[in-house]
Amino acid sequence: DSGVTQTPKHLITATGQRVTLRCSPRSGDLSVYWYQQSLDQGLQFLIQYYNGEERAKGNILERFSAQQFPDLHSELNLSSLELGDSALYFCASSKAGEQETQYFGPGTRLLVL
Amino acid sequence: GNSVTQMEGPVTLSEEAFLTINCTYTATGYPSLFWYVQYPGEGLQLLLKATKADDKGSNKGFEATYRKETTSFHLEKGSVQVSDSAVYFCALSGMDSSYKLIFGSGTRLLVRP
Repeated sequence: DSGVTQTPKHLITATGQRVTLRCSPRSGDLSVYWYQQSLDQGLQFLIQYYNGEERAKGNILERFSAQQFPDLHSELNLSSLELGDSALYFCASSKAGEQETQYFGPGTRLLVL
Repeated sequence: GNSVTQMEGPVTLSEEAFLTINCTYTATGYPSLFWYVQYPGEGLQLLLKATKADDKGSNKGFEATYRKETTSFHLEKGSVQVSDSAVYFCALSGMDSSYKLIFGSGTRLLVRP
């Protein structure tokens, strides 16, 4: 158990819908990262937050957005969902001073029908 | 750009065999290097890491040495067990202020009794 929690574990929804994925980092970790794992693209970095502020963006679609709240939990919002958004979404966290070492949550498996 | 290349899988071994999974990287500067493992139906677990040239990371019998001259970080284990069956990901980080991870495509290992 890495100490990073993600909810829900599974999500099934329809095209055009909007979903919210939630992540709680390890106690004391200030950085939260979101990654997408799909069969065709592999593991791709989406976005990073550090202590409530957006720090970096990767290959994140405009239909996707995220935020980190004062209690440091983070949410990833996916809207206007398409079939191709079906993937495993991971959250990871790291502590200040050792940000390159990231600990991953169990992931949320999203299926868009 | 920065990238990680892993050997194609699956790798199929008998129990107690020697394991090598090759990983090479392309990066400007000196990244930190990681191996993560993903067991079936689970998230990514940090297996080991190395942060500078000639460092050896080790954990649970697995080892990898950061070789700057060959830009490699090959994963080895002297005697694999059935329980080591999983997908192994090589990754690099530390190339910018975000510390985002760049992953290889993963190598599936299947260990037969």
